[in-house]
Order: sequence, then structure tokens, then C-alpha cells
Amino acid sequence: GAVVSQHPSRVICKSGTSVKIECRSLDFQATTMFWYRQFPKQSLMLMATSNEGSKATYEQGVEKDKFLINHASLTLSTLTVTSAHPEDSSFYICSARKKGHWAGELFFGEGSRLTVL
Amino acid sequence: AQSVTQPDIHITVSEGASLELRCNYSYGATPYLFWYVQSPGQGLQLLLKYFSGDTLVQGIKGFEAEFKRSQSSFNLRKPSVHWSDAAEYFCAVDRFHAGGTSYGKLTFGQGTILTVHP
Repeated sequence: GAVVSQHPSRVICKSGTSVKIECRSLDFQATTMFWYRQFPKQSLMLMATSNEGSKATYEQGVEKDKFLINHASLTLSTLTVTSAHPEDSSFYICSARKKGHWAGELFFGEGSRLTVL
Repeated sequence: AQSVTQPDIHITVSEGASLELRCNYSYGATPYLFWYVQSPGQGLQLLLKYFSGDTLVQGIKGFEAEFKRSQSSFNLRKPSVHWSDAAEYFCAVDRFHAGGTSYGKLTFGQGTILTVHP
């Protein structure tokens, strides 16, 4: 159990377009979902925290108008990269905290690789 | 600011050999500590975690880690490595937790890539 799935796994888009990445918890309810970004040969950096039904909380330095996060249900969160530019190319990973699970253990998706041309 | 350091970017071991991956953290209070493994094309999987109590924790796949407060370390070990252990390993610290409850915001180390030779 505790499977998190991301879609798409890879996406290539033109500069200036918007791209939506979905994160779904397949077999549990996720009260909180987290979005991370991973640059090549670097660690995962937390971008934002989203709670079902409320606005996302962004980490310092992350543009909330560029990275739109919606957590519409207990099983789905979406990240939309608006007006994408080549510097937004990265590996985006979501994770979910299981409802009722008090500990810090998170369940991670497979990641989505975004390439902006 | 909190930080997690994994000094070794890439480690190569022979199958059957022992393994130790290093992790050092900088954190002002009692940390919650994690080790995750990431295989190509898969999400991060939790190997083990430390919150309190016994400083030697056992995880899945035969891994263990020891929390040493005096050294601010949480090194991951395995006595005999299998070829299937080849992956990238991440140490992580929970940034916010209170009263035994975590908020789930993790700070990750840079990762250590493990290569296993037959």
C-alpha cells in the first residue's frame, strides 16, 4: 500500500507554455502533499506544501505565481508551471503524508522530468 | 539553518562487501532522521527512520543506521551488499516536529550513488 503516482513522467514543452503535473495517492488519503524540485546532481529542494482544500504554502524563494499548486481532493494535487522557461527544466517530485499518519514518513511519486525548449 | 551533508557523492563496492554511507546534519534540536533510497524510474522509498529511543535502528532490506548525537551523524550500514542495492541513497532531516508529531517537511542531503560490482 501507500502508492503515489505522478503523471506525466516526462514532458517537453516550448518556452512560454504552461505544463501541469499531477500527483495522486492511489490507495490512501493524503492530507498533505509536498512538491520537491531536484536539479541534476543536487538534492531535493522543497518547493511548497499543500493541504487539501486550502492554499499552498511556498518555501522562500519559490514564485507562487509561476508554480501553481492545487490540492482539490485527498488523493490529488497538481503543480502547474506557468509560462515555462528553460531554467524551469528540472525533475519535480511529489510526496504525500498519509491521513492519520503522525510521523514524518512520506510516500514519494516517481517524479516528472520537465524539459523546456 | 538546517543542513544535511552526505560527503560521498559516489561509492563503489563489490557484491558481498559491507557498506557504510555517511550522513551528517546540522540541526538545533533533536532531529527526526530518515534514509531513503531511489532506484531509476521509481520514487523514493523509506529505508528506516529515527525519532527517539534506541540509537541503532533497523530498516528494510537488511539496512541499519546509528544515530550519534555527539557526532551529529546518522550513518547507514549494511553488512553484505547485493547487486540490487545499487541505487541513490538520500539522508533527510525533518525540519519541523513537535510533541511527537511531524509536519513532514524534509531537508535532504545531496545523495550518494551506490554502484555494486559483481
